[in-house]
Amino acid sequence: DAKTTQPTSMDCAEGRAANLPCNHSTISGNEYVYWYRQIHSQGPQYIIHGLKNNETNEMASLIITEDRKSSTLILPHATLRDTAVYYCIVSPNNNDMRFGAGTRLTVKP
Amino acid sequence: EPEVTQTPSHQVTQMGQEVILRCVPISNHLYFYWYRQILGQKVEFLVSFYNNEISEKSEIFDDQFSVERPDGSNFTLKIRSTKLEDSAMYFCASSVDQPQHFGDGTRLSIL
Repeated sequence: DAKTTQPTSMDCAEGRAANLPCNHSTISGNEYVYWYRQIHSQGPQYIIHGLKNNETNEMASLIITEDRKSSTLILPHATLRDTAVYYCIVSPNNNDMRFGAGTRLTVKP
Repeated sequence: EPEVTQTPSHQVTQMGQEVILRCVPISNHLYFYWYRQILGQKVEFLVSFYNNEISEKSEIFDDQFSVERPDGSNFTLKIRSTKLEDSAMYFCASSVDQPQHFGDGTRLSIL
């Protein structure tokens, strides 16, 4: 009963932009899109979140389609340290984060 | 930058024993959470806690589990009568609104 669909794995060349897609076709109007990542077995690290407008911070950009059924996380200049599992989560509030399997991003030199 | 700290980093316990996992959330945060991650599996939500009571819990969080904020700084997860399948990484998180900030976890090994 996953609310999001992400590719299992992706590769990206170091220094290039990494574009990670997420489908959330059943998203409700009050649900946010959150992105977290997990490096090795460390705790999940917050990256960015948005409701319907595109968002940018020092780590990444989040592009949400107009119908809100999908989104893309963009790491503009991927480094080796960005190798991690990236999770896309939809939730109406911050209180209940349900993680899926995520996308394993490997940044290659 | 303030962070969530968890102790111990690794806890080894005999099956059937009780274990308490400790977390110090970020100081001005009001919402507290526990998650677990069995090796090789996804991160699973256990419970959220606000204003000294549980606000949400998952189906995993049964009577074996309890949470407490015993003082103004600590947030604990107690697991009674541990089972082999309780072996996992346990992550604590906290937030003031959004987003959640996670600690680096306690690895719990049940023997």
